[in-house]
Amino acid sequence: QVQLVESGGGVVQPGGSLRLSCAASGFTFSRYGMHWVRQAPGKGLEWVSFIRPDGSNKYYADSVKGRFTVSRDNSKITLYLQMNSLRPEDTAVYYCAKVDDLVTTYDYWGQGTLVTVSS
Amino acid sequence: QSVLTQPPSVSAAPGQKVTISCSGSSSNIGANYVSWYQQLPGTAPKLLIYENNKRPPGIPDRFSGSKSVTSATLGITGLQTGDEADYYCGTWDSRVSVGVFGTGTKVTVL
Repeated sequence: QVQLVESGGGVVQPGGSLRLSCAASGFTFSRYGMHWVRQAPGKGLEWVSFIRPDGSNKYYADSVKGRFTVSRDNSKITLYLQMNSLRPEDTAVYYCAKVDDLVTTYDYWGQGTLVTVSS
Repeated sequence: QSVLTQPPSVSAAPGQKVTISCSGSSSNIGANYVSWYQQLPGTAPKLLIYENNKRPPGIPDRFSGSKSVTSATLGITGLQTGDEADYYCGTWDSRVSVGVFGTGTKVTVL
């Protein structure tokens, strides 16, 4: 069965960096695009980034563009999100989600990892 | 960035029906399929409807989706206490190449 397991969250000071990982299993990782989605405490879902199956194209929300970088290692079956210049407003649970054949369908989600940006 | 508009909350008695609207624009809902997600308290979102009106395996036919031009609708019939959750619509905005989600709707079973 499909499993997505995020890790790497924690507490970081404003201006700091973190790298999130999303370990995938149960499907052919290299065939599917992947999203990052976040949810601030008590708030709704916010799309963060999308990467195509071969990593050739990457897309970002304006709120993170220039600070966050999405990447993937298909040999390690892992998705990453490098987060730099973190701000308090980046505090959220970060989910990775698998795409089915269309970018509009997030068919499997991980359990999420909490990132807290605070001094 | 683009956000799709949903009502903050809807409610109904057990066994009744609720509908949740999702309003967008020509560049997102008008140009792409819509999906719907259910988020039970304290859990990750779960795919409920994809490609406007299709249900993944295991999703009961009490849940239905539709789309018309630049808006979409989720319907839940035979409401159960286990349906109490937050519901989000989602799609892609082709004009600015970003993902977009609805503002979220809390369903309460009275």
